[in-house]
Amino acid sequence: NAGVTQTPKFQVLKTGQSMTLQCAQDMNHEYMSWYRQDPGMGLRLIHYSVGAGITDQGEVPNGYNVSRSTTEDFPLRLLSAAPSQTSVYFCASTDALARETQYFGPGTRLLVL
Amino acid sequence: GDSVTQMEGPVTLSEEAFLTINCTYTATGYPSLFWYVQYPGEGLQLLLKATKADDKGSNKGFEATYRKETTSFHLEKGSVQVSDSAVYFCALSDHGGATNKLIFGTGTLLAVQP
Repeated sequence: NAGVTQTPKFQVLKTGQSMTLQCAQDMNHEYMSWYRQDPGMGLRLIHYSVGAGITDQGEVPNGYNVSRSTTEDFPLRLLSAAPSQTSVYFCASTDALARETQYFGPGTRLLVL
Repeated sequence: GDSVTQMEGPVTLSEEAFLTINCTYTATGYPSLFWYVQYPGEGLQLLLKATKADDKGSNKGFEATYRKETTSFHLEKGSVQVSDSAVYFCALSDHGGATNKLIFGTGTLLAVQP
C-alpha cells in the first residue's frame, strides 16, 4: 500500500492563479480531510469528507473547494490564490472502523506570491 | 469550543535525557487524545493515543496518560535519542463524533543533541 499520496510536493503560484492539490489513498478509507499547517498555529481543518459525494467545511474553508467523486481521491482546489494561502497542506484519511487514527500524506508546500 | 494547549518550544536536550512535553485540553465531551510526530520534511504520524480516562498510550519508548482530573496528556520518554528530533503535536478528537475532526495544539519542536 502506498498509503496517502499528495501531489505536487511544492508549488509556487502568483496571486489570482488557480490550482488543484491532489490527494489519493489506497486504503479504502471513508473519511478524508484537508489541513493547513502554519507556524505557531498547528494544523487547522479546511474541508473534510465522510464518503464519496459528501463533503463539509472545517475551521478555515474560505478560498478552497473540494469534491469527492470516488473513495480514493479528494482534491483541494484554490480558485484564486492569495498570499494568505501560503502554507503547507496535508491530506489525511481514516478507516471508518478506526475512526480516530488519521493517516497523513507527506504534504504540499504552497507559496503564493 | 474544544482546544489543546501544549508547551512552546523549542525543547533542546542532550541524548539520553528525560523528556516531558506538556499538553492540556479543554473539551465539553469525552475526547480521545493523541500525540502525533512530524519528522523533518514528512507528514504527521500517529505516535500514541488514549481513548478514555486513565488509559496510557505508549509507543517507541514514549508514554502519555489520559488524566481527566487535570485535563492533561503529557508526553514522556525516559531517554531520548538524536533520532527523536521532530515536532510533536498533541491533539484531541471528539469521541464518537461523526466527522472525526482532530483539533491540534501548536506543536513542540524537540531537538536532541549528541
